[in-house]
Amino acid sequence: DAMVIQNPRYQVTQFGKPVTLSCSQTLNHNVMYWYQQKSSQAPKLLFHYYDKDFNNEADTPDNFQSRRPNTSFCFLDIRSPGLGDAAMYLCATSAYRDRLKEQYFGPGTRLTVT
Amino acid sequence: GDSVTQMEGPVTLSEEAFLTINCTYTATGYPSLFWYVQYPGEGLQLLLKATKADDKGSNKGFEATYRKETTSFHLEKGSVQVSDSAVYFCALYTGNQFYFGTGTSLTVIP
Repeated sequence: DAMVIQNPRYQVTQFGKPVTLSCSQTLNHNVMYWYQQKSSQAPKLLFHYYDKDFNNEADTPDNFQSRRPNTSFCFLDIRSPGLGDAAMYLCATSAYRDRLKEQYFGPGTRLTVT
Repeated sequence: GDSVTQMEGPVTLSEEAFLTINCTYTATGYPSLFWYVQYPGEGLQLLLKATKADDKGSNKGFEATYRKETTSFHLEKGSVQVSDSAVYFCALYTGNQFYFGTGTSLTVIP
């Protein structure tokens, strides 16, 4: 089945230690998104890619970076995680030609910062 | 600006009870409207959608009607099951960006 895969599902990192979360997709969608979701809150868009074009949200901290080496893969790098970065990180995809931009979500990676 | 306002939870219902989760929106133009569901420990799944006024989205017994006159997209189900326990997010797409509501947690007890 075509899907969005996120690894790992659970990640524990230390305060200040860089961490990378990964997302892959078999849908061949050209748009990929990273969201941060804190407990009992709505997902918050961090950035997205149209193909290789990177679009950063204005309020996304510089501590968060992303890479998309090819259509299938997208990475979220947190350069110096703080306690406030503990959250669920959701990857999503959509097809550029889909007028609705219906988004397909992965299962998420829950990040714990100790 | 564009936004979604969702009924606050948590909501607890007995099995076979009627469910309504209110959602209203503010948007310019003609947004598309969605309901997503998030089961414990999982990502978001599209539950249903509507793209224009008076459209009714439906799936798995859930329904929502796009009401432009009241700027609403309330989620309803006639008879909930324990397996419907999840968090439900209302969302809109304006042609530029997705906006999510804050989510409503539903617990269905046997």
